[in-house]
Amino acid sequence: DTAVSQTPKYLVTQMGNDKSIKCEQNLGHDTMYWYKQDSKKFLKIMFSYNNKELIINETVPNRFSPKSPDKAHLNLHINSLELGDSAVYFCASRRGLAGSYGYTFGSGTRLTVV
Amino acid sequence: DQQVKQNSPSLSVQEGRISILNCDYTNSMFDYFLWYKKYPAEGPTFLISISSIKDKNEDGRFTVFLNKSAKHLSLHIVPSQPGDSAVYFCAATTLSGSARQLTFGSGTQLTVLP
Repeated sequence: DTAVSQTPKYLVTQMGNDKSIKCEQNLGHDTMYWYKQDSKKFLKIMFSYNNKELIINETVPNRFSPKSPDKAHLNLHINSLELGDSAVYFCASRRGLAGSYGYTFGSGTRLTVV
Repeated sequence: DQQVKQNSPSLSVQEGRISILNCDYTNSMFDYFLWYKKYPAEGPTFLISISSIKDKNEDGRFTVFLNKSAKHLSLHIVPSQPGDSAVYFCAATTLSGSARQLTFGSGTQLTVLP
């Protein structure tokens, strides 16, 4: 009954590979996000989708491509992985646009590029 | 450019005493402020929020205070419990067009000593 689930939880891969992280939410939320937590522990927005439409696209290399097949899923594809992509990636969702609504986060995917 | 700052990376408090976590921000367009709690290997969990038009919001042991003129907010936990030991993130949000995103601080590690 996990609200926001990400798979895999851990991902170790070599430089140059292409990988995907999947995210699903069963909360009926309209908006989904990808955040990256870097080595300094900052959580930074990467992308946001609202009802399958991309609404936020921060300055992220175009090797990163989000895909939302429906409003309950937001997957993250990363091409040509680099060492600097190593981080923890969090998926999140929220209901509506009211500021008081907190985001619900997944448990994160720790990506290690070697 | 960090729009949300948590200048204390760590805080230790005795069980039963008050924990005060601080946060400063620079963007006067933020309309809501939120606090998240994060345990290791888990995603951040929403704790409490406050609108920019309020100066206090309380939920059980957690109270958030907002000083808009100083662009400062704080989270008070009374009484502190060992289970409160976690990283606390301050976050702020503003609505831009059809998008709302969270901007996070770098977090404060709270340790509650038994």
